[in-house]
Amino acid sequence: DAGITQSPRHKVTETGTPVTLRCHQTENHRYMYWYRQDPGHGLRLIHYSYGVKDTDKGEVSDGYSVSRSKTEDFLLTLESATSSQTSVYFCAIREPHRREQFFGPGTRLTVL
Amino acid sequence: DQQVKQNSPSLSVQEGRISILNCDYTNSMFDYFLWYKKYPAEGPTFLISISSIKDKNEDGRFTVFLNKSAKHLSLHIVPSQPGDSAVYFCAASGGRGSYIPTFGRGTSLIVHP
Repeated sequence: DAGITQSPRHKVTETGTPVTLRCHQTENHRYMYWYRQDPGHGLRLIHYSYGVKDTDKGEVSDGYSVSRSKTEDFLLTLESATSSQTSVYFCAIREPHRREQFFGPGTRLTVL
Repeated sequence: DQQVKQNSPSLSVQEGRISILNCDYTNSMFDYFLWYKKYPAEGPTFLISISSIKDKNEDGRFTVFLNKSAKHLSLHIVPSQPGDSAVYFCAASGGRGSYIPTFGRGTSLIVHP
């Protein structure tokens, strides 16, 4: 298994509260990604990072921010959670010059 | 507009038979295609891929076929096993942002014993 962990694995929160999800890798890979998975939508890219402090927006970035202050950690923040952000969130990493990604186990977030 | 389409949300197959999962794409800049497998409560795992310079790639029981003119790829699983029951995602990348894949919505495969 690629060394990717996500925390927390499950979280229930209320509308309007801030939430931070953490992705941690032990592979020292430069490229990291945050996706959300929803029924009928597959996997949609939220944000990605191509190095420390280097991040960019994905397809569904509204309402989300990210930070990467260390190679091993990529944080996803919902500044003010909404019910539409109830989802399963996956982090992924990728080696340079390879196309396949390796995914973490996911975080199930419920916003009430 | 979906650039990667998996038009069958689900597929049911008998153990030992062939499973064929289909995927269509619209972006002619895509040059690399991947299949991922996902079990419930786990992250997706990479299964097999194919470059646009090939029309077939095989790995054990799994074969991916690419028809560039039709913008179509398929994943064949022979023989199918109950442990293959999972959601399969097709993904494509290439062109601008070339290493970032676009995913289809997935096909749920159920293999009956």
